[in-house]
Amino acid sequence: GAVVSQHPSWVICKSGTSVKIECRSLDFQATTMFWYRQFPKQSLMLMATSNEGSKATYEQGVEKDKFLINHASLTLSTLTVTSAHPEDSSFYICSARVGTHQETQYFGPGTRLLVL
Amino acid sequence: SQQGEEDPQALSIQEGENATMNCSYKTSINNLQWYRQNSGRGLVHLILIRSNEREKHSGRLRVTLDTSKKSSSLLITASRAADTASYFCATDATGFQKLVFGTGTRLLVSP
Repeated sequence: GAVVSQHPSWVICKSGTSVKIECRSLDFQATTMFWYRQFPKQSLMLMATSNEGSKATYEQGVEKDKFLINHASLTLSTLTVTSAHPEDSSFYICSARVGTHQETQYFGPGTRLLVL
Repeated sequence: SQQGEEDPQALSIQEGENATMNCSYKTSINNLQWYRQNSGRGLVHLILIRSNEREKHSGRLRVTLDTSKKSSSLLITASRAADTASYFCATDATGFQKLVFGTGTRLLVSP
């Protein structure tokens, strides 16, 4: 099956720093990638949808200047958490979809961010 | 919030028993999907059921969908300890994979 990787798998940073998370589709080209956020023992909340070569579409309540998304190629999307604060600590998961009519998303293993 | 609700929130059973999880959602959908998440890991897609389907099977999994009640159920038969995980339903209202996840059911299967 299709494989999506994320890097890093976990990161600890100081408050005020920026953190970049990479999401890669390893064996397919992803026309669309999605970024989710999950707090402990809670569900996934969609943050944004990114299409290769265009600006990301953010969900209501998600600050686009806080969470910068770049989808520079068909196999790579990055999420940068700028000026991170402790409340940004969470589990960030990306997913990728092949083609506009593909119904299945393939999820990455997630990145755990802890901001001190 | 458009988030779906799942019940029970937690379910504890013995190996060999069946596990049933229910999902309710709020809007019309194109399809509904079930995912599994092991603790601290990513999601694994289990099964997709379209709005014009009422029941679907995959191995030990059986999914039903009642669009009139805006609800779905996931049945895992003959459960195994390895089935221990959190299970989420997710609805796709548009067909473009913008998924809205339910609150999840934490399943514990004891040997």
